[in-house]
Amino acid sequence: QITLKESGPTLVKPTQTLTLTCTFSGFSLSTSGVGVGWIRQPPGKALEWLALIYWDDDKRYSPSLKSRLTITKDTSKNQVVLTMTNMDPVDTATYYCAHRRGSSSSLSRYFDYWGQGTLVTVSS
Amino acid sequence: DIQMTQSPSSLSASVGDRVTITCRASQGISNYLAWFQQKPGKAPKSLIYAASSLQSGVPSKFSGSGSGTDFTLTISSLQPEDFATYYCQQYNSYPWTFGQGTKVEIK
Repeated sequence: QITLKESGPTLVKPTQTLTLTCTFSGFSLSTSGVGVGWIRQPPGKALEWLALIYWDDDKRYSPSLKSRLTITKDTSKNQVVLTMTNMDPVDTATYYCAHRRGSSSSLSRYFDYWGQGTLVTVSS
Repeated sequence: DIQMTQSPSSLSASVGDRVTITCRASQGISNYLAWFQQKPGKAPKSLIYAASSLQSGVPSKFSGSGSGTDFTLTISSLQPEDFATYYCQQYNSYPWTFGQGTKVEIK
């Protein structure tokens, strides 16, 4: 059974750096093809893809946020960490991590399991 | 970036209705499309991947179709638990992008 859970601060000040941790179980991030991604959702708005890290440490970022994001993994701890620098009130959102399937078929490599999300508010 | 446009943005329907939601990609994405259901205060739940393949455990009243740029999600007989917001998402190329969502409300 695959589960993911996000953790981190609920409130950050403008210009601060946000660090979020995704702790997962039921799969290994050393398995070929597997990935973990981050997605956010401002209150009342749509989902926005942020970043993705793969079993081989390949990393992908949203171009609009690439300069502010860093994604890393700790395979031994079953964790993925996302840092976002220079936080602004517009970054207030629920942040989700999700498991990307490592199927032999590329069409099956999508986000199949999501964490419950964590709301981060940016305010002074 | 590939833009994903859903229509309608919202709809009102009755229990038992057949509902269809459309998702259009700004360029061809083959079948690299997923659909998610999100209820208020909850995480998105995967419904369909590869445009038409049902995620394990998802009831068969949900179905997906399409290829290239035009896709649809159909709910064959709407039930109270289906009232939610639905999102499409392309995973053909980076950055992965989502549609703006379609809210299905009770008439």
